[in-house]
Amino acid sequence: DTEVTQTPKHLVMGMTNKKSLKCEQHMGHRAMYWYKQKAKKPPELMFVYSYEKLSINESVPSRFSPECPNSSLLNLHLHALQPEDSALYLCASSSDRLGMNTEAFFGQGTRLTVV
Amino acid sequence: SQQGEEDPQALSIQEGENATMNCSYKTSINNLQWYRQNSGRGLVHLILIRSNEREKHSGRLRVTLDTSKKSSSLLITASRAADTASYFCATALQGAQKLVFGQGTRLTINP
Repeated sequence: DTEVTQTPKHLVMGMTNKKSLKCEQHMGHRAMYWYKQKAKKPPELMFVYSYEKLSINESVPSRFSPECPNSSLLNLHLHALQPEDSALYLCASSSDRLGMNTEAFFGQGTRLTVV
Repeated sequence: SQQGEEDPQALSIQEGENATMNCSYKTSINNLQWYRQNSGRGLVHLILIRSNEREKHSGRLRVTLDTSKKSSSLLITASRAADTASYFCATALQGAQKLVFGQGTRLTINP
């Protein structure tokens, strides 16, 4: 199984809602990532988990809260988002540090719209 | 700022022609990777080239890396309509835990 599965595929939420994005991989990868991508722009890193511990937070606002319950799962909890947070949220995983010549496997993303 | 910059931003060619995309970066890297993204979907890894490699092939793809110029190119030969997508280069620093993506090239193959 070489897939990263993200749910839901689409999400529309109000600014006062609380929702969660989910990501799952069964490749035994110990590094997992959240990226945010706006239209016609490259993906921008948000968080990195390594061995289930948060290792990088790219100064992401606290209305985004990541969680790694176990080595296969990665969640992104959303609360009090703004319309400008509407974007494609991508989850990825890798078997080792990306600087150690490994590739990243990406999920299909969650298209988030904040109204 | 973004580690990688790509040109052209958009490229439109006829099916069967070759497509070349270029990527430049600013600091020393451990490897450079190319990814493809179909409209609004996830990224798919195409090829990884290490800093001590100069050229790599995979099927119709040819990637070159010139560390002295801090640049890379992706050549797609005999293009097909299905190659229509956005292509991103991404760099990884030694021991780094993250990839930094270039701005991407939007490739359109006209049948």
